[in-house]
Amino acid sequence: GAVVSQHPSWVICKSGTSVKIECRSLDFQATTMFWYRQFPKQSLMLMATSNEGSKATYEQGVEKDKFLINHASLTLSTLTVTSAHPEDSSFYICSARDLRSSYEQYFGPGTRLTVT
Amino acid sequence: QKEVEQDPGPLSVPEGAIVSLNCTYSNSAFQYFMWYRQYSRKGPELLMYTYSSGNKEDGRFTAQVDKSSKYISLFIRDSQPSDSATYLCAMSTGGGNKLTFGTGTQLKVEL
Repeated sequence: GAVVSQHPSWVICKSGTSVKIECRSLDFQATTMFWYRQFPKQSLMLMATSNEGSKATYEQGVEKDKFLINHASLTLSTLTVTSAHPEDSSFYICSARDLRSSYEQYFGPGTRLTVT
Repeated sequence: QKEVEQDPGPLSVPEGAIVSLNCTYSNSAFQYFMWYRQYSRKGPELLMYTYSSGNKEDGRFTAQVDKSSKYISLFIRDSQPSDSATYLCAMSTGGGNKLTFGTGTQLKVEL
């Protein structure tokens, strides 16, 4: 149990276009999902916390108009990178917190974004 | 100064060795401490979770937390080549709160 999926696993897009990444909890309900980005050989940096039915809370330095987060249901959150630039190329990982657990976050497999 | 410091390695050990991985932190409000394992191009997988100070053992893995020294450790006994991965420490101030990660230590267990 406690499986989180992400789609797509890998995407290449042209500079200036937008790309949407989906994060789904497959066998549990998640009131809270987190979005991270990870550069090569670096740690995970939290971008935003998303709660079902409400606006996401963004970390300092993360542009909310560039990284649009929607948490429409208890099993789905989406991250849209708008007007992507090469510096947005990174590994984006989501995690979901099980309603039944007070602490544990389950991570998705990640989405590798390359902006050309 | 980063909130969580972790030696990035790489750390190379022979099969069967005992591995010691460590993190230090500066925020005394951290109460929950986790260790994640991340294989290349994959999401992190939770290995161990500890609340406050103390030890916790699960199979070949032992997690230790020393809040007085702001120091946490993960020990892996009888290391296997399949343990080769990046190990990330993470901590939070409250259950379910956002996690602050270390940079990760790359471990390679060689035959």
